[in-house]
Amino acid sequence: GAGVSQSPSNKVTEKGKDVELRCDPISGHTALYWYRQSLGQGLEFLIYFQGNSAPDKSGLPSDRFSAERTGGSVSTLTIQRTQQEDSAVYLCASSQRSGGGSQPQHFGDGTRLSIL
Amino acid sequence: KQEVTQIPAALSVPEGENLVLNCSFTDSAIYNLQWFRQDPGKGLTSLLLIQSSQREQTSGRLNASLDKSSGRSTLYIAASQPGDSATYLCAVPSGTYKYIFGTGTRLKVLA
Repeated sequence: GAGVSQSPSNKVTEKGKDVELRCDPISGHTALYWYRQSLGQGLEFLIYFQGNSAPDKSGLPSDRFSAERTGGSVSTLTIQRTQQEDSAVYLCASSQRSGGGSQPQHFGDGTRLSIL
Repeated sequence: KQEVTQIPAALSVPEGENLVLNCSFTDSAIYNLQWFRQDPGKGLTSLLLIQSSQREQTSGRLNASLDKSSGRSTLYIAASQPGDSATYLCAVPSGTYKYIFGTGTRLKVLA
């Protein structure tokens, strides 16, 4: 498969637990984005990685959220001490490069996170 | 602060109709505008990307136009089909890479 791959597709966990979401971008794509999509709302930007540059973490809603990207490829989004308001679909996207956002973003199917 | 609005929020049309979806944005200093389709339980599929220097882009039955000065874009779907039923979102970059998305238009095409 040449698309963006996210795992798990669904995650149900208890409040207070930590969760880790994974994103495999398209090979060769240097830009990687994480978004959150809550029911009835638009996509909310969380974090952006571009190559080896420092990530833009300005969209992370609290210090319980963190993300890393190893080797410029796979990325993991970690949510610590989950709360019910964290329930949402977490979408990952990649593109060939940024620079004016001139390349289309390719999205994975997302991880649907439910906090009980 | 860039804000993106999509009207209507939902639309239901009979098969075969031509239709227009609207997207408006508050800051006209954009590099491009992108239209996406999202099927239930799926991620977003990029449909069309219009660069700021362009006025429209076409792909099959889809045509997207961009008027930066008025802060508007339209997505025109010709001869709609039931398979076009999905949520359509537009997005513009805030700065060089951070995209701001509208809340989408839910389209249902009736057979």
